[in-house]
Amino acid sequence: GQNIDQPTEMTATEGAIVQINCTYQTSGFNGLFWYQQHAGEAPTFLSYNVLDGLEEKGRFSSFLSRSKGYSYLLLKELQMKDSASYLCAVRDWDDYKLSFGAGTTVTVRA
Amino acid sequence: DAMVIQNPRYQVTQFGKPVTLSCSQTLNHNVMYWYQQKSSQAPKLLFHYYDKDFNNEADTPDNFQSRRPNTSFCFLDIRSPGLGDAAMYLCATSSLGRSTSTDTQYFGPGTRLTVL
Repeated sequence: GQNIDQPTEMTATEGAIVQINCTYQTSGFNGLFWYQQHAGEAPTFLSYNVLDGLEEKGRFSSFLSRSKGYSYLLLKELQMKDSASYLCAVRDWDDYKLSFGAGTTVTVRA
Repeated sequence: DAMVIQNPRYQVTQFGKPVTLSCSQTLNHNVMYWYQQKSSQAPKLLFHYYDKDFNNEADTPDNFQSRRPNTSFCFLDIRSPGLGDAAMYLCATSSLGRSTSTDTQYFGPGTRLTVL
């Protein structure tokens, strides 16, 4: 299995930038996913990294360093609707299941 | 345009009274997953179907069972719900299962189960 660690909570101001870190340990890495989950709703897919580097998608970017077992999700130009939990999930090479972190709750304040 | 549908969205049951949660998908994905998620915790995989092949997680209690009568539908049966089984139950699907592509999982809206 994997050990996946991410901060529990983060607070930021509308219009600001927030970076959510995720560290993981796995025997066979085959991709890292970021999901957004609003309270009481299902997770929705945000990004996928399997190679080192930065993937940019509009206001959201995700970075991966496989050698360090590290990823971050960068949220720019924060909006109130970005208040949600952000889940880091890792897929192991041996199977196609995802192991999730506990999520980081981001609160955006006016 | 719904892709993964879960019914009901909210389910209330009594301690020990069997309950069934349903999931359907219009994506024609061959893998379907059931997760349990408690407040402020990560989704915990209970089991999944790869086509018709059932795969149970080692720590999933026997109280939880699943059925997949066809590609589109999958059911979660809780035979004797306890107070500790109150949670959000998430159904997810993915295609192929084994792939180096994105192969992301698509989640349904979840069913929130309350046990009285």
